[in-house]
Amino acid sequence: QQQVKQSPQSLIVQKGGISIINCAYENTAFDYFPWYQQFPGKGPALLIAIRPDVSEKKEGRFTISFNKSAKQFSLHIMDSQPGDSATYFCAARATGNQFYFGTGTSLTVIP
Amino acid sequence: DVKVTQSSRYLVKRTGEKVFLECVQDMDHENMFWYRQDPGLGLRLIYFSYDVKMKEKGDIPEGYSVSREKKERFSLILESASTNQTSMYLCASSRPGQVYNEQFFGPGTRLTVL
Repeated sequence: QQQVKQSPQSLIVQKGGISIINCAYENTAFDYFPWYQQFPGKGPALLIAIRPDVSEKKEGRFTISFNKSAKQFSLHIMDSQPGDSATYFCAARATGNQFYFGTGTSLTVIP
Repeated sequence: DVKVTQSSRYLVKRTGEKVFLECVQDMDHENMFWYRQDPGLGLRLIYFSYDVKMKEKGDIPEGYSVSREKKERFSLILESASTNQTSMYLCASSRPGQVYNEQFFGPGTRLTVL
């Protein structure tokens, strides 16, 4: 059973548009919510992360919105660029440093 | 520059073979992890280790074992490879004791079992 549910599975966005990827979870013990970015042939790399006591975190064009009561969080990529084309994974950390990952979203940004 | 390396990028084995996947990190991290990545399933944790000679089962340990004899090296072993173990295998490491700890991933090993 998937601990973190991610949608959509794939996303196509025009250059300059906004990309939005959503994740939901059930386990209220999760205490840290990172997003990872993976380019073809590479391992995932940390993109941005948020704590559950914060509702939003922004780093450049990337923003995480976090809704604790709804147990949902999302990644927004503003002014999407072709170089952002990658697979994105949301994740949540349980006690003991174990992470649960979403199923991934393949983002394609069309020039 | 932090680095996690995996012994092979691509590996082809036959059913029933014993397979070793090696992972080495140069960051002096205590935590190390093995995941498998499959389309539509994301990353699933196979085993992890908090210290030398320590190991913990993840979500899908069946058919796998691990070895950690040195801090920098974490090996994944498929005792008798099966076709359903064809997958991308990712190793990761992290530093414990930090509240918000980043996992550093290797480039992955794509294993095909024929």
